[in-house]
Amino acid sequence: AQSVTQLDSQVPVFEEAPVELRCNYSSSVSVYLFWYVQYPNQGLQLLLKYLSGSTLVESINGFEAEFNKSQTSFHLRKPSVHISDTAEYFCAVILNYGGATNKLIFGTGTLLAVQP
Amino acid sequence: GAVVSQHPSWVICKSGTSVKIECRSLDFQATTMFWYRQFPKQSLMLMATSNEGSKATYEQGVEKDKFLINHASLTLSTLTVTSAHPEDSSFYICSAPEGGRTYEQYFGPGTRLTVT
Repeated sequence: AQSVTQLDSQVPVFEEAPVELRCNYSSSVSVYLFWYVQYPNQGLQLLLKYLSGSTLVESINGFEAEFNKSQTSFHLRKPSVHISDTAEYFCAVILNYGGATNKLIFGTGTLLAVQP
Repeated sequence: GAVVSQHPSWVICKSGTSVKIECRSLDFQATTMFWYRQFPKQSLMLMATSNEGSKATYEQGVEKDKFLINHASLTLSTLTVTSAHPEDSSFYICSAPEGGRTYEQYFGPGTRLTVT
């Protein structure tokens, strides 16, 4: 069965430290990969996505993620976090069935808690 | 970027009553919209796919008669929770793909429903 796994439910980290949020997926078809961020009582905002091409994708606020097909992973990293990065982060995939209405499948989320 | 709005942002209703939640794509047309449900500190679970001009497609385990979906126009989908009960209390989020590209989904800010 296709699924998305975020092993860490919560990641505490000090401000200005590096962080990695892990995401693994399982799928029998090709995938599109996404990271979304959710601030308290708000909807989801797209952080970055991988559709094709370069396996390293970056966001405008310093996050990056690398698609690793052999390890079926799409880990999110930031070299130096800020207090404002505190939020819930969701990894998601779309299973690419080639034209069909494709659905987003979400992981369980990781709470990034940045401490001063 | 594309904007999706939801109304209301929060609602409290009494057990047994019905409540309607609206999802609008403000600057683009969406023949398809998605409705998600999110329990506290949990991931988003797809409830149904709303299709303009036709019946919604519900995910397994979602009661069609309980959660009525109407996609009346290319910019509006509504979710009506009928005969609400306290267990229906949740955060409801909609999304819409721009240009029919499901990998370009934009999320609404969510609606917090509390049933007393």
